[in-house]
Amino acid sequence: AQKVTQAQTEISVVEKEDVTLDCVYETRDTTYYLFWYKQPPSGELVFLIRRNSFDEQNEISGRYSWNFQKSTSSFNFTITASQVVDSAVYFCALSVVGDYGQNFVFGPGTRLSVLP
Amino acid sequence: DSGVTQTPKHLITATGQRVTLRCSPRSGDLSVYWYQQSLDQGLQFLIQYYNGEERAKGNILERFSAQQFPDLHSELNLSSLELGDSALYFCASSPPSAGTDTQYFGPGTRLTVL
Repeated sequence: AQKVTQAQTEISVVEKEDVTLDCVYETRDTTYYLFWYKQPPSGELVFLIRRNSFDEQNEISGRYSWNFQKSTSSFNFTITASQVVDSAVYFCALSVVGDYGQNFVFGPGTRLSVLP
Repeated sequence: DSGVTQTPKHLITATGQRVTLRCSPRSGDLSVYWYQQSLDQGLQFLIQYYNGEERAKGNILERFSAQQFPDLHSELNLSSLELGDSALYFCASSPPSAGTDTQYFGPGTRLTVL
């Protein structure tokens, strides 16, 4: 069975601080995808990134960066120089191909509050 | 604005009833995904359609069904509603590709079952 753990329920930082959101996943499949999504207070969901299991290269997009480490089954997300607009709930997710096609498993989310 | 539209925005109904949620994907996107977000269960993947055909199935209850029409809009039908079905239902679309690609989410439909 697949599982995604986001151990940090809530994080609070002051603007301009760097913050890392942890994501640990479990799967026996060798082919899978990992995702991060953002849900700001307005409620919509925003896709941030998809990474496949064969690509361990870290990714940077502006102030966002992702660190994928298969050895520790982790896919952590770092926000550099955080801003108030980064305040949101962030979800990590895993997808694998099962009997009924690709299935997604989400973590419980981490609520990030960036204080001015 | 993601380009994905969902109607209605809010829906209030009673237990035992049936409702239909509608999703229109971005122009050119062939995949539509449905998700449920509730306080109890968190975010759950329900089902995916690709160009009219069911592509993947997640934690969708037998009381729920979905379809994607030739114009690529999709409908999620929820029947014999229970209090626990109260949730935010999102749909997302993604461009044509071999795998799961960037997903664009609609604003969601908030369903309240009384």
